[in-house]
Amino acid sequence: QHVLTQSPSASASLGASVTLTCTLSSGHTSYAIGWHQQQPGKAPRYLMKLNGDGAHIRGDGIPDRFSGSTSGAERYLSISSVQSEDEADYYCQTWGTDYKVFGGGTKLTVL
Amino acid sequence: EVQLVESGGGLVKPGGSLRLSCEASGFSISSYSMNWVRQAPGKGLEWVSVISSSSSHIYYAASVKGRFTISRDNAKNSLFLQMNSLRAEDAAVYYCARDRSGEISVPDLWGLGTLVSVSS
Repeated sequence: QHVLTQSPSASASLGASVTLTCTLSSGHTSYAIGWHQQQPGKAPRYLMKLNGDGAHIRGDGIPDRFSGSTSGAERYLSISSVQSEDEADYYCQTWGTDYKVFGGGTKLTVL
Repeated sequence: EVQLVESGGGLVKPGGSLRLSCEASGFSISSYSMNWVRQAPGKGLEWVSVISSSSSHIYYAASVKGRFTISRDNAKNSLFLQMNSLRAEDAAVYYCARDRSGEISVPDLWGLGTLVSVSS
C-alpha cells in the first residue's frame, strides 16, 4: 500500500512563491495524486489532479496561481503570488485498486 | 448549486451505532464514485470508505472494516455510512466526497462535514 510523505510545515512571504512536495513510496512512483487545500476551520477543497507525467487538471474556480509538476516520485504543488488566504493545510492523496491514502499534510504559513 | 450536505452526526457511547447521510444537490451521484473521509480533532485526513457508481465496488480502510457499511441510493441522490461498534478513536468530523468519475480516483467535491463524538 502507498505511503505519501509530506513535510509538516512550510512558509512563504506575501506575494512570493512556494512549492510543496509530496513523495510517493517506492514502487508507486508513476501514480497520479490529488492536491487538496483545507483552510482553518473549513472543509477540504479539491485543488487539482496531478498525473505522473506532470499534467494537471485544476478544479473549478481554482486560480492558475496554483500549479502542479512531477519529478520521479515527487509530486509538487506550486503557489505563485501567495495570498493571505493561501494559509492552510495542504494534503496530497492517491489511490490503488481497493484503497485510498492521504499524506500527513503540510501547514503553510503566510508571513 | 453543486453541493454535498452531511447529517446524522452526534454523541454516541462506545459500542453504539450511528448512521450518517450525505445528500447531493446540483448533480446526480449516479455517475460518480462516492467516499467518506474523516478527520479526528487536530489530525489529518483519513480515508474511510468508497463505493463505485453502481455499488459494484466497495472498499474500506482497515481501521473500520467489519464495523462500518457504506451504501448509496442513487434515486434519492444520497450516500450513507452505517457505523457500528463505535470506539473512542472513531470520533471525528466525517466528510462526504465525490470522486471525479464513476471509477475510484480523486475526490473533487467535498461536503461541509458532520461531527461524530464517541464518549461515555
